Amino acid sequence: EAGVVQSPRYKIIEKKQPVAFWCNPISGHNTLYWYLQNLGQGPELLIRYENEEAVDDSQLPKDRFSAERLKGVDSTLKIQPAELGDSAVYLCASSSGANEKLFFGSGTQLSVL
Amino acid sequence: GQSLEQPSEVTAVEGAIVQINCTYQTSGFYGLSWYQQHDGGAPTFLSYNALDGLEETGRFSSFLSRSDSYGYLLLQELQMKDSASYFCAVRRGSTLGRLYFGRGTQLTVWP
Repeated sequence: EAGVVQSPRYKIIEKKQPVAFWCNPISGHNTLYWYLQNLGQGPELLIRYENEEAVDDSQLPKDRFSAERLKGVDSTLKIQPAELGDSAVYLCASSSGANEKLFFGSGTQLSVL
Repeated sequence: GQSLEQPSEVTAVEGAIVQINCTYQTSGFYGLSWYQQHDGGAPTFLSYNALDGLEETGRFSSFLSRSDSYGYLLLQELQMKDSASYFCAVRRGSTLGRLYFGRGTQLTVWP
């Protein structure tokens, strides 16, 4: 069984440029999460989807961040425009139903110069 | 709000036993999870406790005391490959409530 797949693995951009991250969750997992992880910190939730519906997006900075999961499968997280402080690892995770176990992807390491 | 406290670093030698503590303050506590993350890798699920007591999975065990708002992860027969960051995370509200992670404990295992 394939795990959570994220791309790209690394991304370097200049500030004010747009950037997008893609995530394909484990097949059959209806819940998808986007987390932000700064160096030396734990993951922080940005948004959670139940199928195609965003059910928890209160931590998503909506002035510059957007996300979509149009068909309830894969998802895209976008930042426009990127700021220096957005440099971090963006993790995608998925889970099935009421299962406590989250499966994480390897993340996208973003560097904003 | 919520807060989780865990030590920033722990060191031990191969074959030893180490305990990583986690204290939390949160409303609507539902359960406590532990995740392992190697440098540059994905966090991986280790254990989950919703009820008081000890859960054992191989060399790893996790404990929860809801009355003390405290839990720990116990790693036995340490191996070099156990060197990683370990995060406790609290689930609030329900099984679908938000998961809040601590800052992580960096475990270094020496030969």
